[in-house]
Amino acid sequence: AQSVTQLDSQVPVFEEAPVELRCNYSSSVSVYLFWYVQYPNQGLQLLLKYLSGSTLVKGINGFEAEFNKSQTSFHLRKPSVHISDTAEYFCAVSPYRRSTGFQKLVFGTGTRLLVSP
Amino acid sequence: DAGVTQSPTHLIKTRGQQVTLRCSPKSGHDTVSWYQQALGQGPQFIFQYYEEEERQRGNFPDRFSGHQFPNYSSELNVNALLLGDSALYLCASSEGATNEKLFFGSGTQLSVL
Repeated sequence: AQSVTQLDSQVPVFEEAPVELRCNYSSSVSVYLFWYVQYPNQGLQLLLKYLSGSTLVKGINGFEAEFNKSQTSFHLRKPSVHISDTAEYFCAVSPYRRSTGFQKLVFGTGTRLLVSP
Repeated sequence: DAGVTQSPTHLIKTRGQQVTLRCSPKSGHDTVSWYQQALGQGPQFIFQYYEEEERQRGNFPDRFSGHQFPNYSSELNVNALLLGDSALYLCASSEGATNEKLFFGSGTQLSVL
């Protein structure tokens, strides 16, 4: 089974400051890793994903994340946030098997990013 | 090109009733997955439909059932509603059951009183 831990339920930050949202996971098999963003009253939008290759992944809206296998982490970063980045951010994993490919997503509980002027 | 559309957007039911939620996948997508997002929680996988069959299922009781139609649209049915079924129900579609590129709808907010 897989599990995802997002230790910070809420992260307040000032506009133009850098931010890091933490994500740790547990899995007995290889996983794909994802970050999704959810704006109020909307569904989930994919920010970025790690499937294989370079451990530094760049996504939309200036976000990036780094996969660290030894620490089982996939932290999300942005060097300078905007007011419009205020939203809920979810880290997710999916167990991967060569025979079956992508399966379900297992989500963390989310981190609310609050950007103030 | 319409994305994933879900209906209705909001729904209020009472305990013991039955509910049906609907999802139309993004154009070109043939796989639909359903997730339940309780307040303050991350989404939880309910099940996935591909080729009109349930391919995978999460840890949800049999009260949760679904269907996929030949046009790839899908329904989620919940019987004998409990207060704890109150949640945002999200539908996600993809091109192929093993494709990790999921597109999510805006969800149906179900309130059980």
